[in-house]
Amino acid sequence: GAGVSQSPSNKVTEKGKDVELRCDPISGHTALYWYRQSLGQGLEFLIYFQGNSAPDKSGLPSDRFSAERTGGSVSTLTIQRTQQEDSAVYLCASSLVSGLAGGNEQYFGPGTRLTVT
Amino acid sequence: GENVEQHPSTLSVQEGDSAVIKCTYSDSASNYFPWYKQELGKRPQLIIDIRSNVGEKKDQRIAVTLNKTAKHFSLHITETQPEDSAVYFCAGGGSSNTGKLIFGQGTTLQVKP
Repeated sequence: GAGVSQSPSNKVTEKGKDVELRCDPISGHTALYWYRQSLGQGLEFLIYFQGNSAPDKSGLPSDRFSAERTGGSVSTLTIQRTQQEDSAVYLCASSLVSGLAGGNEQYFGPGTRLTVT
Repeated sequence: GENVEQHPSTLSVQEGDSAVIKCTYSDSASNYFPWYKQELGKRPQLIIDIRSNVGEKKDQRIAVTLNKTAKHFSLHITETQPEDSAVYFCAGGGSSNTGKLIFGQGTTLQVKP
């Protein structure tokens, strides 16, 4: 079946502009995650959605970052007034989450490479 | 806050040798520890995972060990091959029955033929 998809694959924007990044998770996956990966760096947790629960926003670096997940499926990560330090690959992942088992395999999308000029 | 430390940041081995990557975690409630492999320009993919009720898990040339008391876990790759060259990430999570993972900083493994 289809994996996690993200769009656009590449985005170049001018400093100060807003951008929206989209993630389509695997059908039926109740959990959705956003990460940021700067060049040569690790995966920085941004935000986590699980079913109808309030999202865990503890990783968002500033109030310029926000995310929504509509209808428990597609998610959009919005960065307002972009800065050059926002340049990175933004990865989305989804998983099945069992309340008893906690963590499960996260399936990653191909990422969106954001460049802020 | 939650933290996962990973060492070494880079590792170079000869083909056929073993490679070991180590991680420590801070959240004692963590109960799920996956390892992901990321090849250049590609997305991370799960290679093995372990839960806190198990001390060791093996899958062919790959094994992971977990020491809950010391809060550390390790990835062991035996008989390394050039195609094992990639960046490897450990992660910890599952506390409070959530799927949230905190990733280590990554280890770049180079296997020399």
